[in-house]
Parts: sequence; structure tokens; C-alpha cells
Amino acid sequence: EAQVTQNPRYLITVTGKKLTVTCSQNMNHEYMSWYRQDPGLGLRQIYYSMNVEVTDKGDVPEGYKVSRKEKRNFPLILESPSPNQTSLYFCASSLMNSPLHFGNGTRLTVT
Amino acid sequence: DAKTTQPPSMDCAEGRAANLPCNHSTISGNEYVYWYRQIHSQGPQYIIHGLKNNETNEMASLIITEDRKSSTLILPHATLRDTAVYYCIVRGANAGGTSYGKLTFGQGTILTVHP
Repeated sequence: EAQVTQNPRYLITVTGKKLTVTCSQNMNHEYMSWYRQDPGLGLRQIYYSMNVEVTDKGDVPEGYKVSRKEKRNFPLILESPSPNQTSLYFCASSLMNSPLHFGNGTRLTVT
Repeated sequence: DAKTTQPPSMDCAEGRAANLPCNHSTISGNEYVYWYRQIHSQGPQYIIHGLKNNETNEMASLIITEDRKSSTLILPHATLRDTAVYYCIVRGANAGGTSYGKLTFGQGTILTVHP
């Protein structure tokens, strides 16, 4: 089944403890991206990647890192999480000129 | 630099058509209009997209004005399960354009379908 898989679905952590949210797609998509969603603010793009080893900042990249070493994976890294990064995160992927496919989301709480 | 403008909320009676507007007055020639919806906190789901012609699929119809500055998503017979947040975005057609990678979703329109 074609899908975008995010892990974990839920994560509670403490301030400053490095974490990684994984995103994997099985559709051979070149494009992948990360979003965060907060009440009243809609979906905001964090980072995107046009292809392997090609990444760029979205609208809210501060406090996040990404890597794209393989086509199928696009992990989101929080080196030193803070409470203001508590949010619902979505990963998405697409072929060129095609609709985005979204994962089911990761709800992160930083205490 | 928001690229689309949508009303924050709309209501619709079950069984009637829901017409959701989107303004994209700065759209450029190779940018498509895409519509997605999000039910509760699930991942957004693709609905339909178009460039300049009207489009229809099993979920909805998309009407794009001739000048391409606005569009309307039509759910012909809304059901309670269509209650969701609807997002309209514009996206360039190829990786060479600036609007292909960096995407702005905005807050969308909360559509409430009532019995």
C-alpha cells in the first residue's frame, strides 16, 4: 500500500533531550516536506527536500534539522527541544507536479 | 507572503452543495491550485487540483475563474462526514519554480455540515 509513515505517533519528552521523528515513503517520491500544526495557525512548513541531499528551509525552520540521505526517508531532528515545539507534526511527499501524500501525524509534547 | 485567502468558516446543510471560495490573486502562469481537507487531526487528504480549466472527480468539482485569481471548490451533496478544514494552496508545476518546494497552507476554511 502506498503510504507515508511517521514514527512515533505520540511522543512526550523533556526540554533539551534530542529526538528524531522519522518519515518514510514507499512511492519513490522526489519531494518530501515537514509541517507543524498549532491551534489557530494552520499548517506551517518547517523544511522541504526536492531530492536526495537537497533540503531547504520552509517558513518555520528554527530549532529543527533535517537530512535526506536516501530517497525514501526524511527524518526531522530536534537537537534541543523546547516547550514551544510542542505541536502536531506532519510529513508529506509527492512526485513532481502531483498531489502531496501526508502521514498520520506525530503529536509531540515537550515539558 | 500568503498566497491564498480563504474565509475562516462556513456552514452548509446536509445534502446541499457546499461552495468554498479561495482567492489567489497573485497566482502565476505555471502554478496549480490544489485543495486538501483535514478531518480532526488526521493527515490532510488531497481532493482535487487544476491549472485553468474546471475539473471534476468523484469527490468534488473545482471552478477556476478565467483570470485565475480565484477558485471555488464544490462539494455537490455535502454529508456530515464532509465536516473538516479545507485548505487551498498554489504550487508551481516544476522544481525550477520557487513555489514548488516552499508551500504555504494558511489556516483554511472550517466547513461545518449540519443536519
